[in-house]
Amino acid sequence: EVQLVESGGGLVQPGGSLRLSCAASGFIFSSYWMTWVRQAPGKGLEWVASIKKDGSEKYYVDSVKGRFTISRDNAENSLYLQMNNLRAEDTAVYYCARDRDFARDYWGQGTLVTVSS
Amino acid sequence: QSALTQPPSVSGSPGQSVTISCTGTSSDVGSYNRVSWYQQPPGTAPKLMIYEVTNRPSGVPDRFSGSKSGNTASLTISGLQAEDEAYYYCSSYSSSTLVVFGGGTKVTVL
Repeated sequence: EVQLVESGGGLVQPGGSLRLSCAASGFIFSSYWMTWVRQAPGKGLEWVASIKKDGSEKYYVDSVKGRFTISRDNAENSLYLQMNNLRAEDTAVYYCARDRDFARDYWGQGTLVTVSS
Repeated sequence: QSALTQPPSVSGSPGQSVTISCTGTSSDVGSYNRVSWYQQPPGTAPKLMIYEVTNRPSGVPDRFSGSKSGNTASLTISGLQAEDEAYYYCSSYSSSTLVVFGGGTKVTVL
C-alpha cells in the first residue's frame, strides 16, 4: 500500500525557517518524481515544487524561488522541503504527492504551516 | 503564473449529469494531453480522478469521465450521487511552470 506521511509543520515567525519531511513507503521511491502542493486556508491547490527521480532536476513556482529548496534521499525513501524566509502568504497545508503520468496519483494527509508573529 | 479557469460552483440533482470546465492556454491545456482532475471533500487530501485527459485510475467509478477541446478540458460526472459532493480541481502540465492548477469548483448535490 502506498503511503506518504508528512511532518515538520508548525507555527513560525515571518522570516523564519522550517523543514518539511515526507516519508514514503509501499513503492519504489527512486522510480518516481515527487511534488509538493500547498493549500492556503479556504483556498485552492497550488503547485510548489517538483523533483526528478534522482534529484538532478528541480522546479519551483515563482513565488518560492530562492526561498524554498526541494530535495530527496532515495536511500531513506524521504522527500524534503526546506523553507526559508517564510512569509504570511506561505501559510498553508503542505501536501507531498507522488507523480505518475503527469499527474499526482497519491497524496499524503498534509502538514500545516502557519507563519505568524 | 495564472491558474487554469474553473467555474466556482456547479450543482445537480441525484442521477443528473454535471460538467466542470477548465480553461487554459496554448502553453498548457491546449498543447498537451496532460490534464488531470482531483476530488477533494472538505478536510481531506485530494484524490486523483482522471489523468492524461481521459484515463481513470483503478477504483474510480466510470461515472467520471474527462475530455478536451482546444484550450478547455472538462470533467463530467454522470448519474450524480450524494457522495460526489466535493471540490474538484483540474491540473495541467505547463511549458512555462511545469504544473498549474485550476481554482477549484464546488459540486453540490441538490
